Amino acid sequence: TQTVSQSDAHVTVFEGDSVELRCNYSYGGSIYLSWYIQHHGRGLQFLLKYYSGNPVVQGVNGFEAEFSKSDSSFHLRKASVHWSDSAVYFCAASRSSGSWQLIFGSGTQLTVMP
Amino acid sequence: VTLLEQNPRWRLVPRGQAVNLRCILKNSQYPWMSWYQQDLQKQLQWLFTLRSPGDKEVKSLPGADYLATRVTDTELRLQVANMSQGRTLYCTCSATTGGGQDTQYFGPGTRLLVL
Repeated sequence: TQTVSQSDAHVTVFEGDSVELRCNYSYGGSIYLSWYIQHHGRGLQFLLKYYSGNPVVQGVNGFEAEFSKSDSSFHLRKASVHWSDSAVYFCAASRSSGSWQLIFGSGTQLTVMP
Repeated sequence: VTLLEQNPRWRLVPRGQAVNLRCILKNSQYPWMSWYQQDLQKQLQWLFTLRSPGDKEVKSLPGADYLATRVTDTELRLQVANMSQGRTLYCTCSATTGGGQDTQYFGPGTRLLVL
């Protein structure tokens, strides 16, 4: 069974701070990992994805994530957050072949204080 | 450019009534369309993936029954029925070009509140 866990339901930081949102997965085979952002009242927007190669993946708006097979993790980071980064962030996984089913984590609400 | 449109965006649903949701694809290069649902405060959960016009699938989960239909190459529908009273449900569609390695893009979603 494939699972994705986001251990922090809420993270609060100040504008200009760095932030790391954690994601861990469990799956025995090849896996693709993604991060999505959902602002209040809007749909999920794609941030970035890892499927092979360089374990550090760059995304939009200064976000990056690092894949670690040894830790079964795919944490999302940003060096300096802006108030507009306040949103819910979802980590998602899918099998590498023939599957369109994304398995989502429970989400992390990021609040950026001015 | 918006890839997916959904309507309605929200709906109050009288108890015992079914509701029909539509998802419209704006770019046929993303033919694999899916439905996901989310209970308030819970995880997004995949429901269906339908590729071809005429494809249909049903699923019963705790709190609601679902019927998905791929109507055309650009329209996907979802009927939600037998929802539990007081429930808040978020349904969103997605589209992708092909297999698991391809990015899924999501629509704006529909929020349902069962009275």
